[in-house]
Amino acid sequence: NAGVTQTPKFRILKIGQSMTLQCTQDMNHNYMYWYRQDPGMGLKLIYYSVGAGITDKGEVPNGYNVSRSTTEDFPLRLELAAPSQTSVYFCASSSTQGAPGANVLTFGAGSRLTVL
Amino acid sequence: AQKITQTQPGMFVQEKEAVTLDCTYDTSDQSYGLFWYKQPSSGEMIFLIYQGSYDEQNATEGRYSLNFQKARKSANLVISASQLGDSAMYFCAMGSNFGNEKLTFGTGTRLTIIP
Repeated sequence: NAGVTQTPKFRILKIGQSMTLQCTQDMNHNYMYWYRQDPGMGLKLIYYSVGAGITDKGEVPNGYNVSRSTTEDFPLRLELAAPSQTSVYFCASSSTQGAPGANVLTFGAGSRLTVL
Repeated sequence: AQKITQTQPGMFVQEKEAVTLDCTYDTSDQSYGLFWYKQPSSGEMIFLIYQGSYDEQNATEGRYSLNFQKARKSANLVISASQLGDSAMYFCAMGSNFGNEKLTFGTGTRLTIIP
C-alpha cells in the first residue's frame, strides 16, 4: 500500500510562476487535506475536501486553489507564487469509517517549495 | 475556534529517562479529540497517540502515554525510557472526537535525547 503520495518532493519557483502540487491516496479515504509548515512552526490547514466535488477553505487559503474530481486525487494549485509561499506542504487523508480515534490522518512525505 | 499551546520550544533529556511534553488546549466544543504526532528530521509526520474527550482513562501506546486532565485542559505526552530515536519534533493537535477531520496543530517541541 502506497498510502499518500505527493509530487514533487522539491521545487524552486520564481516569483509569479504557477505550479501544481500533486497528491494521490490509494486507501479510498473520503477526506483529504493540504497543510503548510513554515520553518519552526506547526502545520496550518490550507484547504480540505470531504469527498469528490466538495472542497472548503482552511485557515490560510489565500494564493491557493484546489479541486477534487476523484476520490484519489487532491491537487493544490499555486497561482502567482510569492516568497511568502516558501514552505513545506503536506497532503493528508482520512476515513470516516470505524470507531472514534480509529481514523487519524495519514500524511504524505511532504513537498518542499522555495519561491525566489 | 480551537487552539493548541505548546510552551516548550526545546527539551534535552538523558537517554533512558522519562520525559513529559506539555500541551494545553482551548475549545468550546464538548466533543473533541487530542493527538500527538512525531516529526523526525526526515520530515514525515508519524501519528503517536489519540485521546477522546469522553475517554475516562488515559491513552497508552507502548512507551507513549497521554496524561489527560480535562478540567485543566491539558494533554501532556509522556515518553517512558527515552531512546536516541525519540529525538524529533513533537506536535500536539486537536480535532473531532472521531479523529477524521481537520486538525489544529500547536507549534511543537523539539526533543533531543542525550546519550
